[in-house]
Amino acid sequence: NFMLTQPHSVSESPGKTVTISCTRSSGSIASNYVQWYQQRPGSAPTTVIYEDIQRPSGVPNRFSGSIDSSSNSASLTISGLKTEDEADYYCQSYDSSNHVVFGGGTKLTVL
Amino acid sequence: QVQLVQSGAEVKKPGASVKVSCKASGYTFTSYGISWVRQAPGQGLEWMGWISAYNGNTTYAQRLQGRVTMTTDTSTSTAYMELRSLRSDDTAVYYCARLLYYYDSSGFYITDFDPWGQGTLVTVSS
Repeated sequence: NFMLTQPHSVSESPGKTVTISCTRSSGSIASNYVQWYQQRPGSAPTTVIYEDIQRPSGVPNRFSGSIDSSSNSASLTISGLKTEDEADYYCQSYDSSNHVVFGGGTKLTVL
Repeated sequence: QVQLVQSGAEVKKPGASVKVSCKASGYTFTSYGISWVRQAPGQGLEWMGWISAYNGNTTYAQRLQGRVTMTTDTSTSTAYMELRSLRSDDTAVYYCARLLYYYDSSGFYITDFDPWGQGTLVTVSS
């Protein structure tokens, strides 16, 4: 099995751009789709990126996903930050045995 | 609209079992899987396992193997998660989520969990 490592927290000002990384410990990040979820306090998670780069309908195009094989990482980039983007973000993937793995989560503060 | 509605909060004693339900509506139940994810207070998301609503095949997280059972009732479009031998560190909010998976000539793919149920708080305390 592998782990997905995220920074514990990031902070940025409104209007700026922030990138959250998700590094896979073993095996290629490109081998299996990566999803990103947003979780606001007291609520269930919702998808902001699926299949590495796809954005669900209703998610603003300020949210984008990418994969970098050189660093074996996936990234979630949020541009034009708004206070409403303040939340916890989790990356998720799976392994060859169909076991799902979540990253530890990143707390985004917009200040 | 696609919706998952979970059963209500539970309080259990250590050593007991809990069974949480997750009723699906708004889509063809057997075309997707259902995954269960839990979140201890102030902690991150922990994947517990998933079940194919098509054929009932299950995949469980290794650390819960032997204590957890996931089932579905296709007649009522309801999924169930039973956790046995409860301990205090099983105290968490338990979520079900619809899981999209598919096969093609290149292999097997798991995509996103969407939507999620509202969560069920399970408290284990003596």
